[in-house]
Amino acid sequence: QKEVEQDPGPLSVPEGAIVSLNCTYSNSAFQYFMWYRQYSRKGPELLMYTYSSGNKEDGRFTAQVDKSSKYISLFIRDSQPSDSATYLCAMTNTNAGKSTFGDGTTLTVKP
Amino acid sequence: DVKVTQSSRYLVKRTGEKVFLECVQDMDHENMFWYRQDPGLGLRLIYFSYDVKMKEKGDIPEGYSVSREKKERFSLILESASTNQTSMYLCASSPGTRVNEQFFGPGTRLTVL
Repeated sequence: QKEVEQDPGPLSVPEGAIVSLNCTYSNSAFQYFMWYRQYSRKGPELLMYTYSSGNKEDGRFTAQVDKSSKYISLFIRDSQPSDSATYLCAMTNTNAGKSTFGDGTTLTVKP
Repeated sequence: DVKVTQSSRYLVKRTGEKVFLECVQDMDHENMFWYRQDPGLGLRLIYFSYDVKMKEKGDIPEGYSVSREKKERFSLILESASTNQTSMYLCASSPGTRVNEQFFGPGTRLTVL
């Protein structure tokens, strides 16, 4: 079983919809939870990260971490066609020296 | 602006060839990483480095080696390329104390024939 499991998708939504992207994990030592966005034929770029449990908001994006359930989510409000990309969750603990990535969910927002 | 560059966007090599993939970052980051990305398998860590001349095996180091002679440069070497090494290769770097903030290069699409 993988340490990090991500909803596989693909996901297709109309413009303006609220999108929920989710990951579960098994390693309780993870402390940092990241979301990366990857456009086609590009490298991933860090969207936002959260330390430990709780919510973090950045514009239309909200990251949520529930450590008790080992479950993280990324919500995108008022989704735009420019949000169409693959979203990767990633996790690390401060001593690991590396991050563990989910397989990614491909999102398409249709105009 | 933060930048990680990779020597080639596309590369075609033959089975048995020695292949060098170069990565350069201009952010003075201590950590550098090499991943490969395959459909259905996600992003898998091959090797990473905390400092010059330091290297650590990732999850799939077999068939690969790395070199870090200068802080800004991290090279991935395929000693004898095989068809199962056809993949997208991504380099990343991060500050020493913030491995959670990785900056990725654009990737190299390697095809081994």
